[in-house]
Amino acid sequence: ETGVTQSPTHLIKTRGQQVTLRCSSQSGHNTVSWYQQALGQGPQFIFQYYREEENGRGNFPPRFSGLQFPNYSSELNVNALELDDSALYLCASSLGASGTIYEQYFGPGTRLTVT
Amino acid sequence: GNSVTQMEGPVTLSEEAFLTINCTYTATGYPSLFWYVQYPGEGLQLLLKATKADDKGSNKGFEATYRKETTSFHLEKGSVQVSDSAVYFCALSKGSNYKLTFGKGTLLTVNP
Repeated sequence: ETGVTQSPTHLIKTRGQQVTLRCSSQSGHNTVSWYQQALGQGPQFIFQYYREEENGRGNFPPRFSGLQFPNYSSELNVNALELDDSALYLCASSLGASGTIYEQYFGPGTRLTVT
Repeated sequence: GNSVTQMEGPVTLSEEAFLTINCTYTATGYPSLFWYVQYPGEGLQLLLKATKADDKGSNKGFEATYRKETTSFHLEKGSVQVSDSAVYFCALSKGSNYKLTFGKGTLLTVNP
């Protein structure tokens, strides 16, 4: 059974650029959640996708957007990058059913640095 | 809204010492509570969980009891090892999408 994988591992971008981060969910999982972890802080919920539809969003501006594909992999896109977007971006997959989400399994994260 | 407060670190202990990391939460109703651990350079791993009041979660010698009356979920271990050195996060989950709300994390360093 393959766990949650994320790519790339590290990324350096310039302020104003756009970035796409990718996540492959664990086999059999249909739900993906994205979290932003700033240095020295706990992860903060960005949004969740369940069966290709957005299923909740945290307090992040619209320039943070996402997609989930039919194979349940997911992308996080960030436009107009700002210095404060520098963080570790974590993807978590889980098996969801209507009204129930089971344990979330986290990937190793993508470290984004904005200069 | 929901929030989690955990004790500030860093915490430094000698091997075989007793560990307590305090965690309190604010939420309406009955959230599920979790402890996650993050080893250097890795993602988060679920350490233990409790889904209702008075439940005790346990794993790898770690324990935490869901206390509704004090809105707490303190993490304890009777005898820590060097390999327990990591950052520990307390978290709660509530709502239709079961998003996780995390505390800021506590860095634990165990010296031989």
